[in-house]
Amino acid sequence: EDQVTQSPEALRLQEGESSSLNCSYTVSGLRGLFWYRQDPGKGPEFLFTLYSAGEEKEKERLKATLTKKESFLHITAPKPEDSATYLCAVCHGGATNKLIFGTGTLLAVQP
Amino acid sequence: EAGVTQFPSHSVIEKGQTVTLRCDPISGHDNLYWYRRVMGKEIKFLLHFVKESKQDESGMPNNRFLAERTGGTYSTLKVQPAELEDSGVYFCASSARLAGSYNEQFFGPGTRLTVL
Repeated sequence: EDQVTQSPEALRLQEGESSSLNCSYTVSGLRGLFWYRQDPGKGPEFLFTLYSAGEEKEKERLKATLTKKESFLHITAPKPEDSATYLCAVCHGGATNKLIFGTGTLLAVQP
Repeated sequence: EAGVTQFPSHSVIEKGQTVTLRCDPISGHDNLYWYRRVMGKEIKFLLHFVKESKQDESGMPNNRFLAERTGGTYSTLKVQPAELEDSGVYFCASSARLAGSYNEQFFGPGTRLTVL
């Protein structure tokens, strides 16, 4: 069964304190791994798509990496505005494009 | 370019009543998806349209849920009759393609449904 597990559930950082979020997955025929950011009361905001092991993508202070079993979202020198829930989702092969989500990591960055 | 929009943003109804949620995808996106997040759980897939056709409805909980996408533009999700366990946030998403580049799904702000 396809499954996505994110850790930690919550993370509190000081401004400037770099860290990583983990997304472990089991899926038959990965068609893509997606990272989203979600602010309270809003919908998930697309960040990155990774398609194959070894791929990396960066956006401002965020960098996403992918292996055959997991993905990391590295946050370098975070700022308070990076506080949000970060969601990981996988899309598996087949006729549909449905996403299977993890429960997310709630990140709080304190000034 | 306008993003995915959903209406209403909130809905509070009594058990047994009917509610209809609406989603307007990004213009030109043939793929439209419905997802739901219930309290404390992960976001779960409900249904996928390609234009006006249902591609996958494996996530629909039961026959009290009816989704339509007439004309391949906006979509509605009707819950009739609503039950307490239907409470949650309903998200709509759209994407341009099914695979390869540009298959990213862009989400709307969600409709928070509360069934009393």
